[in-house]
Amino acid sequence: GAGVSQTPSNKVTEKGKYVELRCDPISGHTALYWYRQSLGQGPEFLIYFQGTGAADDSGLPNDRFFAVRPEGSVSTLKIQRTERGDSAVYLCASSLLAGYDTQYFGPGTRLTVL
Amino acid sequence: QKEVEQDPGPLSVPEGAIVSLNCTYSNSAFQYFMWYRQYSRKGPELLMYTYSSGNKEDGRFTAQVDKSSKYISLFIRDSQPSDSATYLCASGGYSGGGADGLTFGKGTHLIIQP
Repeated sequence: GAGVSQTPSNKVTEKGKYVELRCDPISGHTALYWYRQSLGQGPEFLIYFQGTGAADDSGLPNDRFFAVRPEGSVSTLKIQRTERGDSAVYLCASSLLAGYDTQYFGPGTRLTVL
Repeated sequence: QKEVEQDPGPLSVPEGAIVSLNCTYSNSAFQYFMWYRQYSRKGPELLMYTYSSGNKEDGRFTAQVDKSSKYISLFIRDSQPSDSATYLCASGGYSGGGADGLTFGKGTHLIIQP
């Protein structure tokens, strides 16, 4: 079966530009998570959706970061006025239910801000 | 102090050896514990998932949790070159209003020498 997919796989942008990163979760999974992984570090939690609503956005670093999941399936992570420090791999994960359920990760989007 | 501490390595062992990977955590609210394996430029892949103190075995892998000392271990028996990857420990809690995102260690880079 299809796993979590993320597009694009790589994104290169210039400082100050706006970017959108897309995540397609496993079909039927209600919970969706975004993480950011910098070089040599473990993934860092950004935001979690239960259905269409953001249940926990405490990991978003600042107001330049925003995420939506309008129909409870696909999610888009949006970054405004990108900075070089935003360069990282952005990982998406989904789970069937929230709470203790297993999170399955996508391959990530590698974002490079020049 | 990070909530989950993990030695980044690298850890290099000969093929066939038993590998021991370890993490410590500081947050008593963590209720479940996971080990993920991550190959270069791929998303994390779940290996082991446990809720309670004690051992859990799956094939060549054994996960061990000691909640009293806040210590998490992963043992790999009969290690193979294909086990060479970064191993991430992760912890999570469930706090009333919803699931928490996982908190990851930095990951240990493991090299199995043929």
